[in-house]
Amino acid sequence: GAGVSQSPSNKVTEKGKDVELRCDPISGHTALYWYRQSLGQGLEFLIYFQGNSAPDKSGLPSDRFSAERTGGSVSTLTIQRTQQEDSAVYLCASSPRFGGGPYNEQFFGPGTRLTVL
Amino acid sequence: GENVEQHPSTLSVQEGDSAVIKCTYSDSASNYFPWYKQELGKRPQLIIDIRSNVGEKKDQRIAVTLNKTAKHFSLHITETQPEDSAVYFCAASTGNQFYFGTGTSLTVIP
Repeated sequence: GAGVSQSPSNKVTEKGKDVELRCDPISGHTALYWYRQSLGQGLEFLIYFQGNSAPDKSGLPSDRFSAERTGGSVSTLTIQRTQQEDSAVYLCASSPRFGGGPYNEQFFGPGTRLTVL
Repeated sequence: GENVEQHPSTLSVQEGDSAVIKCTYSDSASNYFPWYKQELGKRPQLIIDIRSNVGEKKDQRIAVTLNKTAKHFSLHITETQPEDSAVYFCAASTGNQFYFGTGTSLTVIP
């Protein structure tokens, strides 16, 4: 039984380059969430997907960030023209159903550590 | 939007003592409050959660209390053990977005 997986595990890029981060949720989970965790900080909510739909994109830090989910499964978070302040661990989580509550536990992936030089 | 504050940021206790972590939230519409444990270099994992229609929930050495009127909730760990050492995050959700606290680094001293 595979859990949530993310790739790459580490990504070092130069300022100004685009990066794409991938999340493979647990099979059958309809809800998918992206978070950003800066060093020593909490989890910053970025975006959620209910199926393939992202009803609220207001958590994305800037218009350089975008995310999509296809086939109700894999999701990609794309950061264009990366800046040094984008350096963080990007965590993905999936849940059997959408919305907080019992039986809707979020299962987190191992994260992608992004370093922008 | 929701604002979740968590205190303390760091906490050291002797093995066997109790640890208490407190969180406050601002949005009265929040109705679900999970707690996550994140060990060093690992992913966050849910340890306990509570819904707004319940005032207290307990699972072995871990308990969570919720005061809706005051908009605060707390995590209580009794008989702490070295393996409880980790960063703990509280969160509040209205059912859409999840807002996390900034975390508490708990160290249990053997």
